[in-house]
Amino acid sequence: NAGVTQTPKFQVLKTGQSMTLQCAQDMNHNSMYWYRQDPGMGLRLIYYSASEGTTDKGEVPNGYNVSRLNKREFSLRLESAAPSQTSVYFCASSAGPRGFSDTQYFGPGTRLTVL
Amino acid sequence: EDQVTQSPEALRLQEGESSSLNCSYTVSGLRGLFWYRQDPGKGPEFLFTLYSAGEEKEKERLKATLTKKESFLHITAPKPEDSATYLCAVRYNNNDMRFGAGTRLTVKP
Repeated sequence: NAGVTQTPKFQVLKTGQSMTLQCAQDMNHNSMYWYRQDPGMGLRLIYYSASEGTTDKGEVPNGYNVSRLNKREFSLRLESAAPSQTSVYFCASSAGPRGFSDTQYFGPGTRLTVL
Repeated sequence: EDQVTQSPEALRLQEGESSSLNCSYTVSGLRGLFWYRQDPGKGPEFLFTLYSAGEEKEKERLKATLTKKESFLHITAPKPEDSATYLCAVRYNNNDMRFGAGTRLTVKP
């Protein structure tokens, strides 16, 4: 039982390049989330998927797209990377739907640098 | 504006020196307050969920409490392995979620 896994662990991009961050969970959770974490700031929600087949914008969605490939996998795509997207990206999952008792479990993160 | 503020930003303790971390929030319709622990280079690890004022939860040397405006994470006789960043998050309204910036705790032997 690996929980939430993310690939890659580290990535360096040049401005304008594209890439996809992968996330998978093996807890049979319905809901999945993508956050970014920047120094001195709390985790900020980029996109979430309350259930398979649905996605919704979070607090900071600009410059990102997501795909809920199936119940296990939720990917985050940067179409044209910008230095402002340098951050640590975390994927999380919860049993869902997004009820008030919904605890989120996090992956180990992807450290992205955009030059 | 909906906010979650954690204080202090950083806290250095001697082993065995008890203290408290604060998480204050200004959101309407609180649905749950979460505490997480985050070690360097890792993802947040779930500790507690609190739902209503007056509620308390404990785990080893940690005890979390909740009032209508804030939550405290009390650390009793901390050990060096308790060193980490502690995050709080609140779920409110239509299941919006907001995290605080965290308190970085260092416990010296």
